[in-house]
Amino acid sequence: NAGVTQTPKFQVLKTGQSMTLQCAQDMNHEYMSWYRQDPGMGLRLIHYSVGAGITDQGEVPNGYNVSRSTTEDFPLRLLSAAPSQTSVYFCASSYGGTGLNGYTFGSGTRLTVV
Amino acid sequence: GENVEQHPSTLSVQEGDSAVIKCTYSDSASNYFPWYKQELGKRPQLIIDIRSNVGEKKDQRIAVTLNKTAKHFSLHITETQPEDSAVYFCAAKTGFQKLVFGTGTRLLVSP
Repeated sequence: NAGVTQTPKFQVLKTGQSMTLQCAQDMNHEYMSWYRQDPGMGLRLIHYSVGAGITDQGEVPNGYNVSRSTTEDFPLRLLSAAPSQTSVYFCASSYGGTGLNGYTFGSGTRLTVV
Repeated sequence: GENVEQHPSTLSVQEGDSAVIKCTYSDSASNYFPWYKQELGKRPQLIIDIRSNVGEKKDQRIAVTLNKTAKHFSLHITETQPEDSAVYFCAAKTGFQKLVFGTGTRLLVSP
């Protein structure tokens, strides 16, 4: 049971490049989310999913796309990287049920856009 | 949508003292309130949570209280130890909806 696995752990992009941050969980969790963490701003929700085929926007969705074709995977796509997207990105998942369950976080991806 | 405010942003205590971190939320429909601890360079980890039908929950040296009328909840850590030093985040969730975090409290416990 690996939990929530994020790849890569570190990435440097040039402005305008695109890339996909990978997230996979092996706990059969229905809920998955992407957060970005910036100093002094806590964890801000980018996109989330309550099940395969269902996604929705969070607080800061601009510049990011997601899809959820399987229960296990929830990739985050940066369409055209900008320096403002330099951040630490966390993927998280939780059991569905009543929705009243804590999230398990991946180890994060530190992204720098130059 | 839900908005969560967290205070203080930094908190320094001496080992053995108690620490209290407070959060307020805006959506009266919120019914789940977890607390996460994040050590430097690590991922956030769930340390305790409370549901809206409960007023208080304890787990050894940590406890969380919830006041639904005032829409605020607090984390209490007793007999603090240096290993409690970390950033603590509160969060609020409305059923199946998104989990919204506070901005975090940096707790420093000095020996």
